[in-house]
Amino acid sequence: AQSVTQLGSHVSVSEGALVLLRCNYSSSVPPYLFWYVQYPNQGLQLLLKYTSAATLVKGINGFEAEFKKSETSFHLTKPSAHMSDAAEYFCAVREGGATNKLIFGTGTLLAVQP
Amino acid sequence: DAGITQSPRHKVTETGTPVTLRCHQTENHRYMYWYRQDPGHGLRLIHYSYGVKDTDKGEVSDGYSVSRSKTEDFLLTLESATSSQTSVYFCAITTEGTGELFFGEGSRLTVL
Repeated sequence: AQSVTQLGSHVSVSEGALVLLRCNYSSSVPPYLFWYVQYPNQGLQLLLKYTSAATLVKGINGFEAEFKKSETSFHLTKPSAHMSDAAEYFCAVREGGATNKLIFGTGTLLAVQP
Repeated sequence: DAGITQSPRHKVTETGTPVTLRCHQTENHRYMYWYRQDPGHGLRLIHYSYGVKDTDKGEVSDGYSVSRSKTEDFLLTLESATSSQTSVYFCAITTEGTGELFFGEGSRLTVL
């Protein structure tokens, strides 16, 4: 069965510093992987997705993620944090089969300090 | 904008009362989902639908039922609400293919 583990429920960085949010997955089939962002009191918005094409995926707002099969990882990075990046981030893997169900990690709350 | 509307957006109710949350979509997507979001648990799938009158259970379906009598509406019902069902509920749809989900704005339910 597919699963996702997000290391670190809270991450704090300084404005301008590197953002690194960790995600490891378990999947019995070639995975489709996603990162979503949730701003306070809002729904989830897709940041980026990996669908077995290029292993380095670029998303919105300057974020990118690299799929590493050997490490079963899909970490999210941004070279320089901005105050507006403060939000909760969720990694997800698509469950196998035709139902398109996503299995989510428990989330990482990113704080950006001035 | 994926054309998803959830109602009500906020609701406070008492233990033992029935509650129905509605998800409405405007783009005739086949698949619809109900998730709940709780601190420390991320999002967990309650039920999903793959067509009119076609529904199935997710990982946390106990205490919930769903109905889909027409393509655009997916209803989530708590027959007898409990405090453990206090949560934020999200409806989602998917465009078939890569399986990315598009979410509604959420419905915050408090059960006293």
